[in-house]
Amino acid sequence: GNSVTQMEGPVTLSEEAFLTINCTYTATGYPSLFWYVQYPGEGLQLLLKATKADDKGSNKGFEATYRKETTSFHLEKGSVQVSDSAVYFCALSDRLSADSSYKLIFGSGTRLLVRP
Amino acid sequence: NAGVTQTPKFQVLKTGQSMTLQCAQDMNHEYMSWYRQDPGMGLRLIHYSVGAGITDQGEVPNGYNVSRSTTEDFPLRLLSAAPSQTSVYFCASSYFGTSGSYGYTFGSGTRLTVV
Repeated sequence: GNSVTQMEGPVTLSEEAFLTINCTYTATGYPSLFWYVQYPGEGLQLLLKATKADDKGSNKGFEATYRKETTSFHLEKGSVQVSDSAVYFCALSDRLSADSSYKLIFGSGTRLLVRP
Repeated sequence: NAGVTQTPKFQVLKTGQSMTLQCAQDMNHEYMSWYRQDPGMGLRLIHYSVGAGITDQGEVPNGYNVSRSTTEDFPLRLLSAAPSQTSVYFCASSYFGTSGSYGYTFGSGTRLTVV
């Protein structure tokens, strides 16, 4: 079945460092790909998305490119801030049934800690 | 502009007790779902609904019931709580057929502890 694999955390960085969180997926067809962020004590918020190969999603300085040849959707940010400390989830859409409804399949999440 | 509202935020149950986790959305989304979040396992789908009167099972449905009598509400019932159901529960919603492209709107979660 379809699945998402994320790098283990926690990832600890100093402020202004470059961030990469790896995400690879296994899927049939052409799923949409997402990054969600969860701040402490809160629910998940959509950070960015890409719906087809070679699309680049971007938001708040974060970027990820849908790479079909490597089945990857790595999250990057050029200069992290303390406020970026959170758990980041990679996800893909998976069709539930022929009636076009979808579910999201999530990776296990990667905790990012940014130190001043 | 409430979005997805979950209640309660925290709950402690004794083994064998029953309870209902509430979820309501005000965006007229047809699709609603319940996930549980456990350390190192990401989010796993419990039940989902594609519209009022229609529900179906996800990956981990055992021990949970759902119903969808209105578009707005999608309660999750624990029939006889077990320690294995200690988790954080999230409700999510989306427009029918677009969640594949647009993802979901999540509630802020219910942290449940079963002792």
